[in-house]
Amino acid sequence: GQNIDQPTEMTATEGAIVQINCTYQTSGFNGLFWYQQHAGEAPTFLSYNVLDGLEEKGRFSSFLSRSKGYSYLLLKELQMKDSASYLCAVRDIPGGGNKLTFGTGTQLKVEL
Amino acid sequence: DTGVSQDPRHKITKRGQNVTFRCDPISEHNRLYWYRQTLGQGPEFLTYFQNEAQLEKSRLLSDRFSAERPKGSFSTLEIQRTEQGDSAMYLCAWGNPDGEQYFGPGTRLTVT
Repeated sequence: GQNIDQPTEMTATEGAIVQINCTYQTSGFNGLFWYQQHAGEAPTFLSYNVLDGLEEKGRFSSFLSRSKGYSYLLLKELQMKDSASYLCAVRDIPGGGNKLTFGTGTQLKVEL
Repeated sequence: DTGVSQDPRHKITKRGQNVTFRCDPISEHNRLYWYRQTLGQGPEFLTYFQNEAQLEKSRLLSDRFSAERPKGSFSTLEIQRTEQGDSAMYLCAWGNPDGEQYFGPGTRLTVT
């Protein structure tokens, strides 16, 4: 089975940096994904890690340690529009159709 | 634009009625997924198509649920004899070979 844990809520200040952690225990692993979801909208793909290390994409970076079952999403230069839920998801083993198993999401609130 | 549209965007139905949702990838994508999301939770995998073949179904997909993708393009999800517990956002996504999945806007179902 799959078990994915992320903090429920976080608050940060505009212009600051925030790190959202995700730990997972899975029977199979073939990649970790981060999605952003604004209230009432569908999830939007942010990043994907399959190998250990840091992937950088503009203000967003994602890190993966497969041996520790751990990932984080780093958001820099926070803007008010970054207030959203951030979902961590693990991809199943190859042959499993690439289905994603999601955590419950971390609700990020960016304040002035 | 994530490359997939869903119809309807909102559906209110009475318990016991049947409902059908449609998902249209804008361009042809081999991999198509259905997920369900309830408030405060991450999306949960329901089923996966590769072209017209339904290759995987979740245990969440009870006998009342059926999905089709008859020509390998659009897909439909039908729920028979709806129950209040079926109230959720139903999300369709297309996937690329790397495993990234891109969600449509979703259909919000309310069962009264």
